[in-house]
Amino acid sequence: DIVMTQTPLSLSVTPGQPASISCKSSQSLLHSNGRTYLYWHLQKPGQPPQLLIYEVFNRFSGVPDRFSGSGSGTDFTLKISRVEAEDVGVYYCMQSVQLPQGTFGQGTKVEIK
Amino acid sequence: QLHLQESGPGLVKPSETLSLTCTVSGDSISSSTYYWGWIRQPPGEGLEWIGSILYNGRTYYNPSLKSRVTISVDTSKNQFSLKLSSVTAADTSVYFCARGWGAWGQGTLVTVSS
Repeated sequence: DIVMTQTPLSLSVTPGQPASISCKSSQSLLHSNGRTYLYWHLQKPGQPPQLLIYEVFNRFSGVPDRFSGSGSGTDFTLKISRVEAEDVGVYYCMQSVQLPQGTFGQGTKVEIK
Repeated sequence: QLHLQESGPGLVKPSETLSLTCTVSGDSISSSTYYWGWIRQPPGEGLEWIGSILYNGRTYYNPSLKSRVTISVDTSKNQFSLKLSSVTAADTSVYFCARGWGAWGQGTLVTVSS
């Protein structure tokens, strides 16, 4: 089983400042088709998760460009260039290299200072 | 506009079967190439994928739940369903249905208790 490990597990950020979350997988997420199945979701309080980034770096429809994803193989990063109040919630990385199975990281709780 | 809505009992007794339905509007399951899935989240905890189904009925299950899970699709009603047997308190969760990973229902809390 692929294990997803996120760091840090919590983050307190001043509005307007950047934030970064790391995600490491226990196995490569590079599929034989050449695509890397690493996703980032944000779960705002009291809401279902919402997809932010798919396949490492692609922003989902409607996601602001202050969110960016990078990485390859087993190491991935989500960056928020300038955190806004509406960005609070729990961020989950997720792998789906063994389609359609998904495995989530533990989550990183982001709060505003 | 795509909308997914979970429905079913909010309280299930231990050892019984949990049954939920996801009603889809704004897309046709029978003509969609997406996976339709179920994910759960125990109160205050993280997310766990339960399983997924394609329009043709092909199913994929989380190995840790496979012996207790059945996912089915009813294309005439544009719905897909989840059955989880022999439930215990550990199955108490918010259950979400989803299309792929980009569209989720609001979720429904199912409590397992006598």
